[in-house]
Formats: sequence, structure tokens, C-alpha cells
Amino acid sequence: SQQGEEDPQALSIQEGENATMNCSYKTSINNLQWYRQNSGRGLVHLILIRSNEREKHSGRLRVTLDTSKKSSSLLITASRAADTASYFCATDASGGSYIPTFGRGTSLIVHP
Amino acid sequence: EAQVTQNPRYLITVTGKKLTVTCSQNMNHEYMSWYRQDPGLGLRQIYYSMNVEVTDKGDVPEGYKVSRKEKRNFPLILESPSPNQTSLYFCASSYRGYNTEAFFGQGTRLTVV
Repeated sequence: SQQGEEDPQALSIQEGENATMNCSYKTSINNLQWYRQNSGRGLVHLILIRSNEREKHSGRLRVTLDTSKKSSSLLITASRAADTASYFCATDASGGSYIPTFGRGTSLIVHP
Repeated sequence: EAQVTQNPRYLITVTGKKLTVTCSQNMNHEYMSWYRQDPGLGLRQIYYSMNVEVTDKGDVPEGYKVSRKEKRNFPLILESPSPNQTSLYFCASSYRGYNTEAFFGQGTRLTVV
């Protein structure tokens, strides 16, 4: 079954604002990953955070992980119109297969 | 260039006519998987493979078959497609073990009429 669930389902902001999206999951994980999908295209990996990490940065991206609450957040700072996309969290808890399972995603629209 | 290649990108077919969507990766990845993406449902895993000749069902395997005869290829077979299999399909691959990222193909948009 799907492991991660993103919240909100949709987010609309102005260019320059920060965008925060959240992910909750159900069972213990080894890592949590965030992916981005431009409309109808393949997913692209953004960042991976391991279960023993609490925060990770990559450029304008900041990811946090709270294993006690089984949740993660993705913050995009100073958003740009080009950040418009769907964002998915993925966890590896799929019967121990280590192949990611995804949630329904957050659709982000950044208005110029 | 490291990539996952799916073919075809677009396909319209009729109910019951067997079809195969091919997936090939050039990164020597052990893991490969198929997902379908439907509005409001996100990506759902169909089948995955952890190595040659090793395949397992994902969340929505009904109506699909896969095979992994070679490491680089992981075709998705619809023996008798039905309209409810109209969807956007993605193949992905990754190295063995956790803490590795998945690489995705560009997707195959399938319409079954």
C-alpha cells in the first residue's frame, strides 16, 4: 500500500515566497526521498534524507525528518515560476524491497 | 548518458489486444519497477524486480505481467488490456540497497478503447 502521503494536495503561491509541503508515512523507514515531476513527465530525484538525519539542505531546498512523528517536510525557499511542478515523497518501506513507494503528491503552482 | 528508456511514449489500443511496453536502463541497476499514475491516486507500484529472474507484485498487479530476463530490460506486458488500464506508466531503476535514488523513464501514456 502507499506509504507516504503529501499535504497539502495543492499549493499556490507568488514568486519569491517560500513553499512548504509535508509528508506523513506509516511504518519505519530507512530513508525518505523527495521527487519532482513536471507535468506528465518522469520524476526527478531531489533529495534523500536518511532515517538518522534530521535536516538536510540542497540549494534552495530544505528537508526535515521527524521519525517520532513519521513525517517529513520539504521547504523551497524564494520560489520561482520554474518550481511549478508536483512534488512527491517516497519511502522505501515496501516489504523490505528498498524500492520506493510514493504518495499522491503536492501540486505546486508558483505565479510570476 | 545515464537513462531509463521507455517505448512507446504514446499508445492507443483496443480492448483485448496484447501489448508490451519496453523499459531499458543503461546504468547496470539491479532494481527496476513499474508504476502507473492516475489523477488523484498518485503513483502506484505495479511490479518490481530486485534482480534478473526475480520479480514481485506491487500494489496493483492485476492485469499485468513482467519479465526480467536481462538486467537492463524490464518489459511490462498487458495480455488483455481493458479501459481501466488507461493510464500514464513509468518505469524506474536504481542500484541495490537503500539510500539510493530511483531514475525514471519519460513515461508511456496508454489509452485502451
